[in-house]
Amino acid sequence: RKEVEQDPGPFNVPEGATVAFNCTYSNSASQSFFWYRQDCRKEPKLLMSVYSSGNEDGRFTAQLNRASQYISLLIRDSKLSDSATYLCGRNTGFQKLVFGTGTRLLVSP
Amino acid sequence: GAVVSQHPSWVICKSGTSVKIECRSLDFQATTMFWYRQFPKQSLMLMATSNEGSKATYEQGVEKDKFLINHASLTLSTLTVTSAHPEDSSFYICSARGGQGAGVSSYEQYFGPGTRLTVT
Repeated sequence: RKEVEQDPGPFNVPEGATVAFNCTYSNSASQSFFWYRQDCRKEPKLLMSVYSSGNEDGRFTAQLNRASQYISLLIRDSKLSDSATYLCGRNTGFQKLVFGTGTRLLVSP
Repeated sequence: GAVVSQHPSWVICKSGTSVKIECRSLDFQATTMFWYRQFPKQSLMLMATSNEGSKATYEQGVEKDKFLINHASLTLSTLTVTSAHPEDSSFYICSARGGQGAGVSSYEQYFGPGTRLTVT
């Protein structure tokens, strides 16, 4: 099993829709997780950290489910500009990040 | 704050030549820099972790003699792809983790814009 797994998508949604992605991880000792956004041919940019208590930033909400070993990202009221690939990252020891393959989101008018 | 640059942004080279990629933290001192590689439609794969003044730590399966990493200062790390071959064609991205600098988190990794390498 891969350390971090994501559905590659693409998820095609209309503007205004609510969409959610999950990311599963195999190491139960993992402590910290992140969601990054990556646009085509660009570097990843940190979207939000994922805390045990969840994290919300505007239209974006991240949740951590330790029992089932997954994290989720919920995007409400999708915008065209939300179209991108969303990478899930797990912080290993020594501050190294392990990424999933990413989930591609396409928001259409 | 927390700007990381890479140079060059893209490079085309012939098979057998070597290519050097620079990663700089422009407004903060990076205690650690990381080098990743990303093939099309795949995830970022960590190649190595680089600490200033010490040897880089390579991930399993990454040839240290082929991918030479030098971290000469707290703001500069270089990756040299030696004797490049077409299968080395990829998107190489560095990231830097904080140290000292205004508006810089010490736990977050800041990514450079990446270098697209094409070996013909």
